[in-house]
Amino acid sequence: QQPVQSPQAVILREGEDAVINCSSSKALYSVHWYRQKHGEAPVFLMILLKGGEQKGHEKISASFNEKKQQSSLYLTASQLSYSGTYFCGATGGGNKLTFGTGTQLKVEL
Amino acid sequence: KAGVTQTPRYLIKTRGQQVTLSCSPISGHRSVSWYQQTPGQGLQFLFEYFSETQRNKGNFPGRFSGRQFSNSRSEMNVSTLELGDSALYLCASSSLSTSTVPGELFFGEGSRLTVL
Repeated sequence: QQPVQSPQAVILREGEDAVINCSSSKALYSVHWYRQKHGEAPVFLMILLKGGEQKGHEKISASFNEKKQQSSLYLTASQLSYSGTYFCGATGGGNKLTFGTGTQLKVEL
Repeated sequence: KAGVTQTPRYLIKTRGQQVTLSCSPISGHRSVSWYQQTPGQGLQFLFEYFSETQRNKGNFPGRFSGRQFSNSRSEMNVSTLELGDSALYLCASSSLSTSTVPGELFFGEGSRLTVL
């Protein structure tokens, strides 16, 4: 079953912050975040394992709440280069990585 | 280091035909996954191969099949094409893939299939 992402789309002004949420009705073992720019292949951002681990990558960080079966991606001080579609992928303990339908993020000047 | 290569990049078929897509993973990567991408549906998992064995399969009809060769190259085949099969088919390879957690996926640019 696909994870559910929210919001479906968001428009930001450069410098603003954003949060993208990813939730699942099934128990999560790992959460994977990817970003796809228009016309390009998805690119890996980070993996979080169950245990409530929070990871960071420059101004992009994420958390994983095992109890709530959800993960959140935090984008701080957004830049134009952050524009794209963000996908969360989830596993339930095996190697099958199921992605959500994506969140379109657009950063404007 | 060469990335994931998918061929062909674009193809047009008619309903009822079949198609074979090819994927060459990054050298040394033994895990290859296939995804179907359509607007509104995101990335739908098709199957994953590791060392020539299919380890996981998504919820697609039997018309969708795949295989992996000893050099880790992979092919997927769609028989009896339907209009709804029009999509971007993405292949991804990974080097670190335990039995419980997929490693970082490196995606190819995809094969865009149009079914008329």
